[in-house]
Amino acid sequence: QQQVKQSPQSLIVQKGGISIINCAYENTAFDYFPWYQQFPGKGPALLIAIRPDVSEKKEGRFTISFNKSAKQFSLHIMDSQPGDSATYFCAAHRGNGNQFYFGTGTSLTVIP
Amino acid sequence: DTAVSQTPKYLVTQMGNDKSIKCEQNLGHDTMYWYKQDSKKFLKIMFSYNNKELIINETVPNRFSPKSPDKAHLNLHINSLELGDSAVYFCASSRTGEKLFFGSGTQLSVL
Repeated sequence: QQQVKQSPQSLIVQKGGISIINCAYENTAFDYFPWYQQFPGKGPALLIAIRPDVSEKKEGRFTISFNKSAKQFSLHIMDSQPGDSATYFCAAHRGNGNQFYFGTGTSLTVIP
Repeated sequence: DTAVSQTPKYLVTQMGNDKSIKCEQNLGHDTMYWYKQDSKKFLKIMFSYNNKELIINETVPNRFSPKSPDKAHLNLHINSLELGDSAVYFCASSRTGEKLFFGSGTQLSVL
């Protein structure tokens, strides 16, 4: 079964707008929640990550909001740029076995 | 130097053939993985290998087998290739509890 649920499947945003991608999980054993960015023909690359003892983490234009009680976390991309157009994956890490589980991905298109 | 390198980048082969994809990491990580990404971009874990412990996703056909000659290498062998095996295969590695590094992928096309 899908360990991490991600929405929306695709997102179109105007340049300068805010892109928001949401993820949810059930397993309370998860201890680390990274977001990955993937450009066509490339492997996914770590964008930003958060641990469950923190409710928000910001790095430049990228922010993760984390709601432990709701078991939800989201990625906000402020001032979205055409260069941000990519596929974004949320993920959850389980320490037992050092396993990473990925969401189904969101294809983001930023229109100039 | 590339942190996680996999070869070949492209692999085109006929149904029924046996093929291998190689992966090497120079990061000193203790866990290596194989992921499959299908045409819908879903990233599905196939295997992870940590200090000689192999964790297998139960949905992976036994035609797929990982081989780890040492901590820095995890190769993927595929027997009797099928059309449905066509996908991009990513090798990845991590140190326990830390971020995952991906290779650049191997595009497998089975004709």
